Formats: sequence, structure tokens, C-alpha cells
Amino acid sequence: NAGVMQNPRHLVRRRGQEARLRCSPMKGHSHVYWYRQLPEEGLKFMVYLQKENIIDESGMPKERFSAEFPKEGPSILRIQQVVRGDSAAYFCASSLRTDSYGYTFGSGTRLTVV
Amino acid sequence: EDQVTQSPEALRLQEGESSSLNCSYTVSGLRGLFWYRQDPGKGPEFLFTLYSAGEEKEKERLKATLTKKESFLHITAPKPEDSATYLCAVVMGANSKLTFGKGITLSVRP
Repeated sequence: NAGVMQNPRHLVRRRGQEARLRCSPMKGHSHVYWYRQLPEEGLKFMVYLQKENIIDESGMPKERFSAEFPKEGPSILRIQQVVRGDSAAYFCASSLRTDSYGYTFGSGTRLTVV
Repeated sequence: EDQVTQSPEALRLQEGESSSLNCSYTVSGLRGLFWYRQDPGKGPEFLFTLYSAGEEKEKERLKATLTKKESFLHITAPKPEDSATYLCAVVMGANSKLTFGKGITLSVRP
């Protein structure tokens, strides 16, 4: 069991470019959560998805950010027209069920916007 | 506003010097309180889940307890390898998302 896989581990983008972060949940897990960790800040919830559905996107910025979890393939967090303030570590977690609370986190993608 | 506060922000201990980390919460409808460990450059690693006041869980040198307002993570005779950031998080109401505190950075000197 490879756990939650995130790639890339490190991503450098120039201002205005797009960033795509990928998350493959643990085998059998159909619930995916994205969190952002800014320097000196705690982990902040962004979005919760199940296969092909967005369940809760209350933590997502209104513009430039989107997420999907297609029927096949990994979950994608997409940031369009990145700005320096988007530089952070982005973590994905997966769980088996909504009530299982067995959240397993990936190692994260560290996005640097230059 | 619901929130999670961890204290102290940082803690330096001598190897073998036991101590406690605090997590206080002001949330409605607590469904679970979680402790995670995070090493530099890595994702959070699950330690414990507590569901109700009075509950306690142990794992090696760590023991987590829960009251109606706070949780403690007790570290008994810590070792340098216990050095990490310890995160507290809650799940509340009908939500499934975790709400985290800012974490406590623990350093254990040999």
C-alpha cells in the first residue's frame, strides 16, 4: 500500500502561469481533501471531493482555484494565474468513508511562485 | 467562531523531561479531536483520535486525553526522535473536514 501519493513534490511557477497538483488517494479511498499550509500558519481546509463530485469547497478562494476528482485518475488541484501569495505547501488527505475519520495525508506539494 | 488553539507555540525539552502539549477548542458539536505529528518537509502523520470527554489513548511515550474544552498530549521521557511539530485538529457538526490549530514545535535535546 503506497499511501497517498502527491506529485510533484516541488513545483516552481512564474507569476501568471498555471499550477497543477495531483493526488492519488490510498487504494479503496473515495474521499479526498485538500489543505494548504502557509509559512507560520496551520493547515487550512480548501476542498472536499468524492469521485466526480465536489462536496465542500468552502475553503477555496473564489477565483483562480479549482479542483476535480474524476472517475478515473488522480484528484487535481488547479491554480490559474499564480501569484506570489500562492506559494505554500499543499497537502492532500484521503479517507475510506465520511465517518471513518481515518484521514491519511500525502507528503505534499511545495509550490513556489517566482 | 469555532477555533482550535495550541500552546505553547514551541517547547524545548531535555531528553527524559516529561511534559504536556495543550489543545483548547471552542467548537460546537465536536465529533472528534485528532493529534498528528509532522516532520519537516513531510505530511501529517496520524497519532490519535478522541471522541468524548474522559477518553484517553496511548502509544509508546505519548498519551492523549480529552475534556470538554481541551486535549492534552502527554510525552513521557521524550527522546530526540520525538522532535517534530504536533498538530491538533477537530471535526465538528455535520462537516467532515479537519480544522487545525497552528501546531506546537517540540525540540528534545539529547
